[in-house]
Amino acid sequence: DTTVKQNPRYKLARVGKPVNLICSQTMNHDTMYWYQKKPNQAPKLLLFYYDKILNREADTFEKFQSSRPNNSFCSLYIGSAGLEYSAMYLCASSRALEQYFGPGTRLTVL
Amino acid sequence: GDSVTQTEGLVTLTEGLPVMLNCTYQSTYSPFLFWYVQHLNEAPKLLLKSFTDNKRPEHQGFHATLHKSSSSFHLQKSSAQLSDSALYYCALSDRGSALGRLHFGAGTQLIVIP
Repeated sequence: DTTVKQNPRYKLARVGKPVNLICSQTMNHDTMYWYQKKPNQAPKLLLFYYDKILNREADTFEKFQSSRPNNSFCSLYIGSAGLEYSAMYLCASSRALEQYFGPGTRLTVL
Repeated sequence: GDSVTQTEGLVTLTEGLPVMLNCTYQSTYSPFLFWYVQHLNEAPKLLLKSFTDNKRPEHQGFHATLHKSSSSFHLQKSSAQLSDSALYYCALSDRGSALGRLHFGAGTQLIVIP
């Protein structure tokens, strides 16, 4: 099973409220990634976990948090959503160079 | 830094005509290149990768050749099918990055019409 699952598929949030997105995989992959995708733009890597080590990209360092309680699950946390966070959020996992993606969570902030 | 350029945001083709989606890249090292395909409401799936033991990568009738001289990895298919309608991403992985950080192009939406 090469499935990466994401919940929820659609999320509506109010400005200033927290948002928590969930990703899971059962392939025993050591690395899990979160990307942000906005219309007409390339998917942008936000952060990734290699095993238990979190790596956040420099330009999104303070905007997103994440946790990985075990090998299978990884969350993406926004402490206070702003309108600019409206986007598709893609989770992926890998053991080597090939990444397997989930279907994404579409977040709309109002 | 590493980057990927897909010049066409939208390509509309008639069924049966050849497909060519452009991808060029910039990289400090000698990178790995990938094509991902995303159908509506589905996850992006790996279509092709540039490293296949000296064989030209092919999958579902699609093929791509890595040309280091022109820094390109264009996606081609001889005859488009209606089911090829999807969003196609070209992506680059820096060989120097053991953790497989991918740099994506903006994507090309392919629409195949009867």
